Amino acid sequence: DTGVSQDPRHKITKRGQNVTFRCDPISEHNRLYWYRQTLGQGPEFLTYFQNEAQLEKSRLLSDRFSAERPKGSFSTLEIQRTEQGDSAMYLCASSRNGRVGSYEQYFGPGTRLTVT
Amino acid sequence: DAKTTQPNSMESNEEEPVHLPCNHSTISGTDYIHWYRQLPSQGPEYVIHGLTSNVNNRMASLAIAEDRKSSTLILHRATLRDAAVYYCILRVADRGSTLGRLYFGRGTQLTVWP
Repeated sequence: DTGVSQDPRHKITKRGQNVTFRCDPISEHNRLYWYRQTLGQGPEFLTYFQNEAQLEKSRLLSDRFSAERPKGSFSTLEIQRTEQGDSAMYLCASSRNGRVGSYEQYFGPGTRLTVT
Repeated sequence: DAKTTQPNSMESNEEEPVHLPCNHSTISGTDYIHWYRQLPSQGPEYVIHGLTSNVNNRMASLAIAEDRKSSTLILHRATLRDAAVYYCILRVADRGSTLGRLYFGRGTQLTVWP
């Protein structure tokens, strides 16, 4: 257990439905990241928060995706009008503040989304 | 992003040392070299990182070439629990739009035989 929790662990939804995932980072970590991982591939970066500010978004984050971190603590990732191509593992990670390259990221167990 | 190149797979026997190579010929002076691993059905797990000097921790050792264009993750005595996908990642320190992200690539699948 890394101290990063994600909820739910599994989600099955029908195409067109909206889903929301939650991530609770390690409490003293200012930085929070979302990644997506499909079968056989490494995780792909989606977005990054420093406290409550969303500082970077990947091109993978289409208009149907939105992420928030309202009080600089937990974060939510919402996918609207889900498509079968959204089926993946969604991973959350957090890290301490400071020089970015020098600190490791701690990952949660992920939320596995299946869109039928 | 500076990219890394790793073998797709490697094998080892239990209790033997394992050397996992990584090439990063386009590395820049401020890029840290990070290694993560991912066990089946789990999120990635931090292993070790370094900038210029070799590094040791309780999990592994990281040997960095003098020109920094390659590195090697060393597991001193492989166990069955070390079977995982190992990712070599360059982390950009304090630079523009790549701030914070990890670029994973496909990693090396390590198989450990009993």
